[in-house]
Amino acid sequence: DVKVTQSSRYLVKRTGEKVFLECVQDMDHENMFWYRQDPGLGLRLIYFSYDVKMKEKGDIPEGYSVSREKKERFSLILESASTNQTSMYLCASSQTDGTERYEQYFGPGTRLTVT
Amino acid sequence: SQQGEEDPQALSIQEGENATMNCSYKTSINNLQWYRQNSGRGLVHLILIRSNEREKHSGRLRVTLDTSKKSSSLLITASRAADTASYFCATDALGAGNKLTFGGGTRVLVKP
Repeated sequence: DVKVTQSSRYLVKRTGEKVFLECVQDMDHENMFWYRQDPGLGLRLIYFSYDVKMKEKGDIPEGYSVSREKKERFSLILESASTNQTSMYLCASSQTDGTERYEQYFGPGTRLTVT
Repeated sequence: SQQGEEDPQALSIQEGENATMNCSYKTSINNLQWYRQNSGRGLVHLILIRSNEREKHSGRLRVTLDTSKKSSSLLITASRAADTASYFCATDALGAGNKLTFGGGTRVLVKP
C-alpha cells in the first residue's frame, strides 16, 4: 500500500514564524502536491512537483514556497506565517507513466493554526 | 476557480438507501476522479474514469461520465453508516499536466 505521511497532525504557530510542513511518500512517485482545504472553498492547489528539484506554482502560491531535494520528500514552507494561513494542509503523490494518468494518494493532513 | 462543482452540497439518507451525487465541470478532461474524505482526515481515492469511458463500477460504487454534458455522477448503492463522509470529484484537465482540480464536495450523512 502507498503510504503518504505528514510530519504533524496538528500545529500551532505564531504570526511571523517560519513554518515547515514535511511530506514523505514511500512509493517512488514522481509527482507530489500540496493543497490547502478550507470550509466552502474545497481543496486548492498551492504547489506541485514533477521531479526532484522541480516545482510549479498552483492556484494559490502566494506566501508559500516548497522544496524537493529528494524524490520521496516534499516540504511546504510558510516564510512568515499569517492568520489567513490557518487551514488544513494536505499532501499528495501520484505516479507518472508516459502519458497515462493515475490517482493521487493523500496524507492524513496537518491542521495548522496561526495565532 | 473550481473546475468541478458537486450537487447537492449535502445529502442525508437512511442506511440501505442509494445515494447519488453529481459533478459538473467546464473544460475538456483526460479523466475524472472521485475521492472520499472522512471527517478531518485525508482523501481516499475511490474511482477514476477516463474520458473515453462512460460508466465504471467498483463494489457498491457506480460512476458515469457524459463528456458532451461535462458531467459525472457517483452512485453509492445500499448505503451504510460507514459511508458517511464528504465526496469530491476532481478533474484532470487536458493540458494541465498532472494537476487535479477539486470541486467543493458533497457531504453525505447515512443514518442507521
